[in-house]
Amino acid sequence: GAVVSQHPSWVICKSGTSVKIECRSLDFQATTMFWYRQFPKQSLMLMATSNEGSKATYEQGVEKDKFLINHASLTLSTLTVTSAHPEDSSFYICLDRGFGVGYTFGSGTRLTVV
Amino acid sequence: GQSLEQPSEVTAVEGAIVQINCTYQTSGFYGLSWYQQHDGGAPTFLSYNALDGLEETGRFSSFLSRSDSYGYLLLQELQMKDSASYFCAVREDQGGKLIFGQGTELSVKP
Repeated sequence: GAVVSQHPSWVICKSGTSVKIECRSLDFQATTMFWYRQFPKQSLMLMATSNEGSKATYEQGVEKDKFLINHASLTLSTLTVTSAHPEDSSFYICLDRGFGVGYTFGSGTRLTVV
Repeated sequence: GQSLEQPSEVTAVEGAIVQINCTYQTSGFYGLSWYQQHDGGAPTFLSYNALDGLEETGRFSSFLSRSDSYGYLLLQELQMKDSASYFCAVREDQGGKLIFGQGTELSVKP
């Protein structure tokens, strides 16, 4: 399957600042990348679908101006959490659709906003 | 609306067999997947069913019945390292969007 590199693996930031999370597909072209958020002991909630060269599609209830997604190249998708607040503290993870039936997750980013 | 139901937790002993069920109600269906997630880690792919029947991969098997909107993951010869959360996920559309269940926390006891 695909190999997806996600950075950073963890980040602590101050309230009001922005954080950028990168997901890079290392061996396949990631034309479609999904971004999920997971709170402790809860499920993975889809935030948005990122397609190379086009605007991201956001799920209902997800603020597109707060969670900026860019997919400028075939191998790189980024999620920027703008003006972060403590309630944004969560585990953010990307999912590369790839070509097979078993999609590949990035390693995840644990964001803590203080 | 869309929903995937699975038990919140299951406990079993080493060497036993455990079955984790998943029932789903989604706007579209293009297959059912299973993922394993250890504490603090990323989910890893276990199995996928697009058609009815049983898929076997080593100690893990997965079953799907589309007419019943139901599937299960079967884990055999349980090992301590199998203690983790298990998620079922439905591929909801042709774009490949995955919708996840709430997860089942499996505890394997000695």
